This record gives sequence, structure tokens and C-alpha cells, in this order.
Amino acid sequence: DAGVIQSPRHEVTEMGQEVTLRCKPISGHDYLFWYRQTMMRGLELLIYFNNNVPIDDSGMPEDRFSAKMPNASFSTLKIQPSEPRDSAVYFCASSGTGFHYGYTFGSGTRLTVV
Amino acid sequence: QQQVKQSPQSLIVQKGGISIINCAYENTAFDYFPWYQQFPGKGPALLIAIRPDVSEKKEGRFTISFNKSAKQFSLHIMDSQPGDSATYFCAASIGTASKLTFGTGTRLQVTL
Repeated sequence: DAGVIQSPRHEVTEMGQEVTLRCKPISGHDYLFWYRQTMMRGLELLIYFNNNVPIDDSGMPEDRFSAKMPNASFSTLKIQPSEPRDSAVYFCASSGTGFHYGYTFGSGTRLTVV
Repeated sequence: QQQVKQSPQSLIVQKGGISIINCAYENTAFDYFPWYQQFPGKGPALLIAIRPDVSEKKEGRFTISFNKSAKQFSLHIMDSQPGDSATYFCAASIGTASKLTFGTGTRLQVTL
């Protein structure tokens, strides 16, 4: 199992540009989470899906952020337009149901908006 | 009420010593308490987890102690090794697959 796969690993973009982050969860996991990590705010949940349906998007900072999960094997997080304060590491994680699963995190996408 | 408070922020332990990280929570509905380990440039990885029906869980050198009445739980790393140097996060959730609320993290450095 290749684990949770995120792309790109690094993204540098100019303010105002659209950014799309991608995630492939572990096959068979029915939950998918998007987190953002910064030094100031730590790990923040942005949104999570269950069986491809968004369950809680209360952590999405503003309308500039959107997330989709068109099928069980793919999700995107889009920022449009991007701003310097969006600079962070964005993690995708997936999980099955049950005590022994826990989250499996991807390696993250380091986003820098200049 | 959803916060999980973690301390200390950083910790330096000598090789062979015991590392102790503490967390406290407010929401009594939380029933799943995992700990995650994160190395630089990597995503957090599940280390060990506990449910509130037990007071302690041990896996190798890692032990979670849980005090339900005090709403506190802690991670003990016995015989700490330089390879344990990482950032550790406690977390809590209602159910095992719902959203996790993470602590702020503890950066552990194990010196020779």
C-alpha cells in the first residue's frame, strides 16, 4: 500500500493565482480529511468527507477555499485567489472506521504564496 | 470546549531517560485519544491510542496514562532514544473516525 498520496509536494505561487492540491486516499478508507499546519495555529481541520460526501467544512477559512471529492480515490483542495497568509503545509489524511485504524496522513504539500 | 491543551511545548531528555508529555481536554464526549509522532518534512503518524475505559496502555517503550476524572492523559516514552526526537501531538475525538482535535505539539529532543 502506497499510503496517502499528495501532490504536489511543494508549490510556490504568486498572490492572486489559483492553487489546486490533490490527494489520493488509501483504498478502502471511507473518511478523508484536509488539515492545515502552521507554526502559529498548529494542525487545523479544514474539511472532512465520509463516503465522498462533505460532512463538516466549518474549518474552511473563507470562500476562497473549496474542496471536492468526486470519487473514493481522489480529492482536491482549491484556493482561489491565493494570499500570502495561506502559506502553510496542507495535509490530507484518510481513515477507516474502527479503533485500530487511526488517521494515515500524507506527506503534505508545502504551499508558499508570494 | 473543543480544545486539547498540551504541555510542554518543548522537551530535552537525555538518552535513556523518560520523556513525559501531558494533555488535558474539556469535552467529556471525547472517547478516543491518539498520539501522533511527526518527523520534519513528514506527515504525523499514529503512535498509540487509548479509549477512556482503560487507565493505561503500553506498546513497547510508549505508554499512555489516562485519568478520566481529571480529563487528562499523558504519553510516557521510556528509555528515550535519539531516534525518538520528533514533534508529538496528542489528539481527541468523538468516535474513532470523526474529526480529531489536536494539541499544539511538543518538540522532543533526545540528546546523547
